[in-house]
Amino acid sequence: QQPVQSPQAVILREGEDAVINCSSSKALYSVHWYRQKHGEAPVFLMILLKGGEQKGHEKISASFNEKKQQSSLYLTASQLSYSGTYFCGTASSSGGSYIPTFGRGTSLIVHP
Amino acid sequence: NAGVMQNPRHLVRRRGQEARLRCSPMKGHSHVYWYRQLPEEGLKFMVYLQKENIIDESGMPKERFSAEFPKEGPSILRIQQVVRGDSAAYFCASSPADLTGVGSGNTIYFGEGSWLTVV
Repeated sequence: QQPVQSPQAVILREGEDAVINCSSSKALYSVHWYRQKHGEAPVFLMILLKGGEQKGHEKISASFNEKKQQSSLYLTASQLSYSGTYFCGTASSSGGSYIPTFGRGTSLIVHP
Repeated sequence: NAGVMQNPRHLVRRRGQEARLRCSPMKGHSHVYWYRQLPEEGLKFMVYLQKENIIDESGMPKERFSAEFPKEGPSILRIQQVVRGDSAAYFCASSPADLTGVGSGNTIYFGEGSWLTVV
């Protein structure tokens, strides 16, 4: 079952912040975040493995609450280059293969 | 280019024809995953392969679709007797090992996709 992302779309001006949420009905082993620009490959941003883990990547960071089966992606002081669709991929045991299952994505548009 | 290589990037097929999509994983990667993406939708898992083995094909349609990853050469996703509903972007991804393991930070890296249009 695919994770649920919210919101579906976000429109920002440069410099504003955004939060994208990802929740699952299944117990999670890991959460993988990607950004995809139109017509291009999804690009890996970060992976979170442990409950309560937080990671940062420049001005993009994420948290993973294992108990709540949720992850959030935080984009601070957004830049034009942040525009794209963000996908979370959640992995739980599926025959032992832990393959990421992706949500429908959150479209982020950053205006000048 | 050491990334995941997919070809063709764009493929047009008439209904009833066959489509073959190829994927060469990143150097050093032996695990391949295929996903399908419909317009405005997420990535739907299709199949997970290692060399000469299909590990998980739970996302593959039961008919017309098959995948292989031979000992030599790229992984191939084959769609027989294509229909309009098969039109989509097909993404291949690879990883250096399976995604388990204590503390494993393994993730999957995507290729640029193959866009199939069925006319």
